Amino acid sequence: AQTVTQSQPEMSVQEAETVTLSCTYDTSENNYYLFWYKQPPSRQMILVIRQEAYKQQNATENRFSVNFQKAAKSFSLKISDSQLGDTAMYFCAFIVRDDKIIFGKGTRLHILP
Amino acid sequence: KAGVTQTPRYLIKTRGQQVTLSCSPISGHRSVSWYQQTPGQGLQFLFEYFSETQRNKGNFPGRFSGRQFSNSRSEMNVSTLELGDSALYLCASSSYRVSDEQYFGPGTRLTVT
Repeated sequence: AQTVTQSQPEMSVQEAETVTLSCTYDTSENNYYLFWYKQPPSRQMILVIRQEAYKQQNATENRFSVNFQKAAKSFSLKISDSQLGDTAMYFCAFIVRDDKIIFGKGTRLHILP
Repeated sequence: KAGVTQTPRYLIKTRGQQVTLSCSPISGHRSVSWYQQTPGQGLQFLFEYFSETQRNKGNFPGRFSGRQFSNSRSEMNVSTLELGDSALYLCASSSYRVSDEQYFGPGTRLTVT
């Protein structure tokens, strides 16, 4: 069975610091998609980053970047120059093209002023 | 472009009752997915609809059902409510597939007493 594991239930960092959220997954498939979603307190979930497994290049979106290690089945999210607005629950998710999407349990990130 | 909307936003029901939740996707989006979010189980995939057909289903009992209309609007129904059904129910839409970028609605908070 495919699984997604986020080993850090909660993290706190100071504003302007860099933080890395970890995510590992287990699959025997070769082609799949990985995502990081952000759910701010009492606000809608939004997509942070999407990575296609067949692409070697790590995806980036402004201050957000991923370290995708396909052989190690690792997909970590790095947030640079963290801001108070980055405080949120972050979910790592995995899907094989037309199958069910699987989410990790989430990492609650607190950015401290 | 209007975002994903969900109605109602809050709902209180009694055990044994049934409930219907509604989701209006972003205009032009044809895939609609439903998720259950609880503190204990995290975010779990319920089902996905595309062109009025259920394309995928998560591991939930038959009490959970859904449908999609020709305008892509979707409803989910939970019959014979149990206390454990108390959760935030999220709807998400995407252009074609769940593996595309998904846009989430604000959710419906269901409380079963």
